[in-house]
Amino acid sequence: DTVMTQTPLSLSVTPGQPASISCKSSQSLLHSDGNTYLHWYLQKPGQSPQLLIYEVSSRFSGVPDRFSGSGSGTDFTLKISRVEAEDVGVYYCMQGLHLPLTFGEGTKVEIK
Amino acid sequence: EVQMVESGGGLFQPGGSLRLSCAASGFTFSNHWMNWVRQAPGKGLVWVSRVNTDGSGTTYADSVKGRFTISRDNAKNTLYLQMNSLRAEDTAVYYCARDKYWNSFDYWGQGTLVTVSS
Repeated sequence: DTVMTQTPLSLSVTPGQPASISCKSSQSLLHSDGNTYLHWYLQKPGQSPQLLIYEVSSRFSGVPDRFSGSGSGTDFTLKISRVEAEDVGVYYCMQGLHLPLTFGEGTKVEIK
Repeated sequence: EVQMVESGGGLFQPGGSLRLSCAASGFTFSNHWMNWVRQAPGKGLVWVSRVNTDGSGTTYADSVKGRFTISRDNAKNTLYLQMNSLRAEDTAVYYCARDKYWNSFDYWGQGTLVTVSS
């Protein structure tokens, strides 16, 4: 199975400050079609997960532009340029290339 | 508006069976692959199974292979998960999730809790 390793597992951020989450996969997520199938989700407290970023860097509809994704191959990063109170929750990376599909263990983001 | 509503959860005994349903609306259900993802209490997300658009192709996590069966009824816009030989470790909230493209899940249901306990 493709192991997804997220760091850190928790993050406490002052509003208005940036935040960054790393996600590393145990094998490359680059497909022969040239696309890389790494996605990011946010699960806010008490809610279902929601798609933030797909294919490394594409923001899903309605996602604020303070969220950005980058990376290639096996190393990926989610950045929040200026954290807001509504950004609290658990962030998961997920690989969509290899079966079984696998998620990272999650990074809990809280506000200081 | 895209909506997916799961049902069928509850308290079940080890070794028992149940069927979860996910009623979809607001989009052309038959155009999308569909998935089940579960989350044990206080734990992370775990992919369980997926089905292609016409139901002819299914894939499972090893932990449920041979015990769970995913299916769909495109005429009823409904996704199912038949769960047999239940174990305590199957206790989780089960979410249905729509596949946008290449396993990015763009819409999720609210989840239904399955508890397996004697």
